[in-house]
Amino acid sequence: ELKVEQNPLFLSMQEGKNYTIYCNYSTTSDRLYWYRQDPGKSLESLFVLLSNGAVKQEGRLMASLDTKARLSTLHITAAVHDLSATYFCAVDLDNAGNMLTFGGGTRLMVKP
Amino acid sequence: DGGITQSPKYLFRKEGQNVTLSCEQNLNHDAMYWYRQDPGQGLRLIYYSQIVNDFQKGDIAEGYSVSREKKESFPLTVTSAQKNPTAFYLCASRRTGLNEQYFGPGTRLTVT
Repeated sequence: ELKVEQNPLFLSMQEGKNYTIYCNYSTTSDRLYWYRQDPGKSLESLFVLLSNGAVKQEGRLMASLDTKARLSTLHITAAVHDLSATYFCAVDLDNAGNMLTFGGGTRLMVKP
Repeated sequence: DGGITQSPKYLFRKEGQNVTLSCEQNLNHDAMYWYRQDPGQGLRLIYYSQIVNDFQKGDIAEGYSVSREKKESFPLTVTSAQKNPTAFYLCASRRTGLNEQYFGPGTRLTVT
């Protein structure tokens, strides 16, 4: 059974600070996705990582994938309040985009 | 505008009743998915369908049923056999050949 663990589960940080969210998974997969969810809302796709060493950046967020270590990171640079949300990683078990297993989420609160 | 529609946004039912959640997409995507999200947790895959008239069980299919008679529609029935049906249900779709799943706005089901 594939297990996907995110840490931390909850993160409170000051605006302007940097931090990294970690996503570890227990079985072989070359594909990983990051999503954002605002309270009571649906999921918004942030990054699609399709191979070992993949790095994607959008604004203050940067995601990377190390398939050998079974680890993905989501790095936040100079956080702003608008980044407050819950972030999920999802591992693609069949490498075909169908069988996604989600981590438990990291709830991020950025304080002014 | 292209997108995924889920209706209703909120749904209330009495225990022992079956209930059907609607999911429609006009993105011309081949694959569609149903997920369940419990408070403070990640998403879990219920069922998915890659083509019309075909679908596969996900991780938590017991107590649920689906149909895929049309490409644009993938309704989910929560049966009375589902022990804890109260949850947030999210539908997603994906274009064949691409990896990213796009999510609908969700239906919050409460069973009392």
